Amino acid sequence: NAGVTQTPKFQVLKTGQSMTLQCAQDMNHEYMSWYRQDPGMGLRLIHYSVGAGITDQGEVPNGYNVSRSTTEDFPLRLLSAAPSQTSVYFCASSLSRDRVWQYFGPGTRLTVT
Amino acid sequence: AQSVSQHNHHVILSEAASLELGCNYSYGGTVNLFWYVQYPGQHLQLLLKYFSGDPLVKGIKGFEAEFIKSKFSFNLRKPSVQWSDTAEYFCAVRKPYDKVIFGPGTSLSVIP
Repeated sequence: NAGVTQTPKFQVLKTGQSMTLQCAQDMNHEYMSWYRQDPGMGLRLIHYSVGAGITDQGEVPNGYNVSRSTTEDFPLRLLSAAPSQTSVYFCASSLSRDRVWQYFGPGTRLTVT
Repeated sequence: AQSVSQHNHHVILSEAASLELGCNYSYGGTVNLFWYVQYPGQHLQLLLKYFSGDPLVKGIKGFEAEFIKSKFSFNLRKPSVQWSDTAEYFCAVRKPYDKVIFGPGTSLSVIP
């Protein structure tokens, strides 16, 4: 198994541009989530999904969209990038109903200028 | 709203020293508690978790944590640290089956 994969690893965007961060897992996990990591603030939940077709907002959802058309993929879309979205983004997945995030992707470092 | 605080932003220890990283949370009901570690350049890994039962939880790599309900605390300990323990450590809490809330993290540097 490849585990949780994320692409790209690095990205630079200009303010106002849009893009999609990709996240995929090959472990047939129902539960997936997106976090952003900022210095001194730990990880903050952006969006999460409890199964294909079902998504919900986390702590900091504004400016981001998600969809879950398949079990494997959980892309995160930035609609109109802002410098405040400069961060490291992590995707996580969980097999069990207890939704303990045991599997994290390697992260995407995004800079918005 | 739940919140998680971690006592120290940055801890520096010599090898073989004992480690205790503090974590406090604000929620008063039943909670699940976690410690994660992020080694330099790597993704997060789950060190240990507490759901119920024995409040002293043993995790991977020789780490343990003690849940003290009366103090709303879940401190991480290791009797003797190694240089390879240099990492960022995150405490996290949630109501059962709810969203996980992470603390701001503590950066640990172990000097050989």
